[in-house]
Amino acid sequence: QKEVEQNSGPLSVPEGAIASLNCTYSDRGSQSFFWYRQYSGKSPELIMSIYSNGDKEDGRFTAQLNKASQYVSLLIRDSQPSDSATYLCGLNDMRFGAGTRLTVKP
Amino acid sequence: ETGVTQTPRHLVMGMTNKKSLKCEQHLGHNAMYWYKQSAKKPLELMFVYNFKEQTENNSVPSRFSPECPNSSHLFLHLHTLQPEDSALYLCASSHPAGRRGNTEAFFGQGTRLTVV
Repeated sequence: QKEVEQNSGPLSVPEGAIASLNCTYSDRGSQSFFWYRQYSGKSPELIMSIYSNGDKEDGRFTAQLNKASQYVSLLIRDSQPSDSATYLCGLNDMRFGAGTRLTVKP
Repeated sequence: ETGVTQTPRHLVMGMTNKKSLKCEQHLGHNAMYWYKQSAKKPLELMFVYNFKEQTENNSVPSRFSPECPNSSHLFLHLHTLQPEDSALYLCASSHPAGRRGNTEAFFGQGTRLTVV
């Protein structure tokens, strides 16, 4: 069974702090990795995609990929209360982890 | 309209009813997906269609019947559902698998289904 594992949280950080979200996967053949944000009652929306080992930055978001360790993470710098949501890690086989719920406290 | 559109947004049905969920995408994608999202559970991939052909059925009960008449439209026909089938049903689309696998998926707003 191919699996995507995330810490379900909740993860709570103060406003302005760095939030670190982690994801591990079991299928070594995975090529593409995605982070989605899902607000309560809404559908998931894409934040970042990453395909190569290393870091990829987009504004306050940085995705990190380590294929050898089968690990992908998302860092959110200068966290804002509006970042409070569930963050889903997804693979190119269209499967997702259970999501990590993030709360940013003012 | 742009993006992925799902109708209806909310649906309440009895266990003996027959209803259908509709999904339409205007993104030029050729892969479409149905997901089930229950409270406090991961997104469950139900069905995958590539170029109108079903390529994946993840042991979904036969009371859920998908239909993909073309690359832009996807339906989920429902009949004799159970209360435990109450959930948010999400449709998504993407470009199909290539060298890097499937590209990013774009989701519709979902249909909140309640079975009574």
